Amino acid sequence: GESVGLHLPTLSVQEGDNSIINCAYSNSASDYFIWYKQESGKGPQFIIDIRSNMDKRQGQRVTVLLNKTVKHLSLQIAATQPGDSAVYFCAGTNTDKLIFGTGTRLQVFP
Amino acid sequence: EADIYQTPRYLVIGTGKKITLECSQTMGHDKMYWYQQDPGMELHLIHYSYGVNSTEKGDLSSESTVSRIRTEHFPLTLESARPSHTSQYLCASSETTRDTGELFFGEGSRLTVL
Repeated sequence: GESVGLHLPTLSVQEGDNSIINCAYSNSASDYFIWYKQESGKGPQFIIDIRSNMDKRQGQRVTVLLNKTVKHLSLQIAATQPGDSAVYFCAGTNTDKLIFGTGTRLQVFP
Repeated sequence: EADIYQTPRYLVIGTGKKITLECSQTMGHDKMYWYQQDPGMELHLIHYSYGVNSTEKGDLSSESTVSRIRTEHFPLTLESARPSHTSQYLCASSETTRDTGELFFGEGSRLTVL
C-alpha cells in the first residue's frame, strides 16, 4: 500500500562554503561505512568509504569522520559547488548487507 | 564508471500485468542486489544474491521474485503488478563476498502501475 514517511531533511549552503552532512547508525557491530551521492533520476554513486578501525578518511574535497563511541558519521564537503547538489546517503554494514540511512538533500545556492 | 545496466529505465503498465526488470553487470561481481526507492526517500533492500543459484530476501518485504542463473544477470519479476508496486528499483553489484565492499549501482528502473 501507499507508504507515508518523512521526506529527506535538507541542508542549504552557499557556494564556496563547507558542508557537513551527518548520519547516525544503531548497529554497533557495523564495521564498514560508505557515503553515496544520488543526483536526480540517477543511481547512487560512491563518494568515500571508511572502516571502523579508522576515525577519519580524506578524499578529494571530501572528508568522512567516524565516531564509534556515539555511533555517528559525518561527510564534510569543502568549498561546496553547484554540482554537489544532490541527495547524500550514508550506508553501513549489517552482517553481510549494506543498509542505507534516510539521506540528506544538499542544496547549493549562489 | 560502473558497468551495470538496467532496462527499462521507465515503464508504465496496467494493473495485473507481468513485468521483468533486467539488470546486467560486466564486472564479474558475485554479489548483486535490488533496492526499492520511493521518490525522495531512502533505499530499501528487497533482494540480494551471493552468486549463481543464490537468492535471498532483503529487509523490506516484496512481492517480487528474482533469479540468478548467470553471474552477470539478476532479473526481478512481478507476476501481477499493482499500483502499490509503483516505485524506482535500483540494481547494484559488489566485488567481495566476505565483506560488503562498495556497491556499484545502475541508473534505476522507474515503474508506474496504473
